[in-house]
Amino acid sequence: EVQLVESGGGLVQPGRSMKLSCAASGFTFSNYGMAWVRQAPTKGLEWVATISYDGSSTYYRDSVKGRFTISRDNAKSTLYLQMNSLRSEDTATYYCTREGFIHTMAPSWFAYWGQGTLVTVSS
Amino acid sequence: DIQMTQSPASLSASLGETVSIECLASEDIYNNLAWYQQKPGKSPQLLIYYASSLQDGVPSRFSGSGSGTQYSLKINSLESEDAATYFCLQDSEYPNTFGAGTKLELK
Repeated sequence: EVQLVESGGGLVQPGRSMKLSCAASGFTFSNYGMAWVRQAPTKGLEWVATISYDGSSTYYRDSVKGRFTISRDNAKSTLYLQMNSLRSEDTATYYCTREGFIHTMAPSWFAYWGQGTLVTVSS
Repeated sequence: DIQMTQSPASLSASLGETVSIECLASEDIYNNLAWYQQKPGKSPQLLIYYASSLQDGVPSRFSGSGSGTQYSLKINSLESEDAATYFCLQDSEYPNTFGAGTKLELK
């Protein structure tokens, strides 16, 4: 059974940093691209960033470029999101997702989702 | 960026009815369209990928169709557990973009 378990969320002040982690199990982590998707309270879904299966390629939405860094440790089956210079508009539940395609650099649907971790940016 | 216009925003239907939800892309997305179901307080669950492929374990009363810029999700014989919000996603190009969602209520 595929499991994605996020951690690291909480309350943070504007301008500060936070790092999210996602522990994956139930599949061969190094075979799949991974992504972070967020959802502001009572709002819709917003793609944040994607990393390829081997970590060689990363993609970001414009509003987080230069502030967020997605990374992965295939030996530990763990995905990360380093978030710097946080803003109030980054307040959301952040979901770790696994892509549907194996071994691809192309965009893919999100086949599995974690339970999410809430990040609140407020003074 | 590709814009995804989803309609209707909300929908009320009775048990046993059939409903459809539409997504219109601002440009051709070549069937790179997925549908998700999200219940309150839960994470989204994949229903359909590549416009019409049913995800493993999803009931066959869910089906997807479409091509080019127009896509739809159909739910046959509504059951009480289908009350949820439904989202479409285009994965044709970055940035991946979602529709705004359709809230389905059961009468």
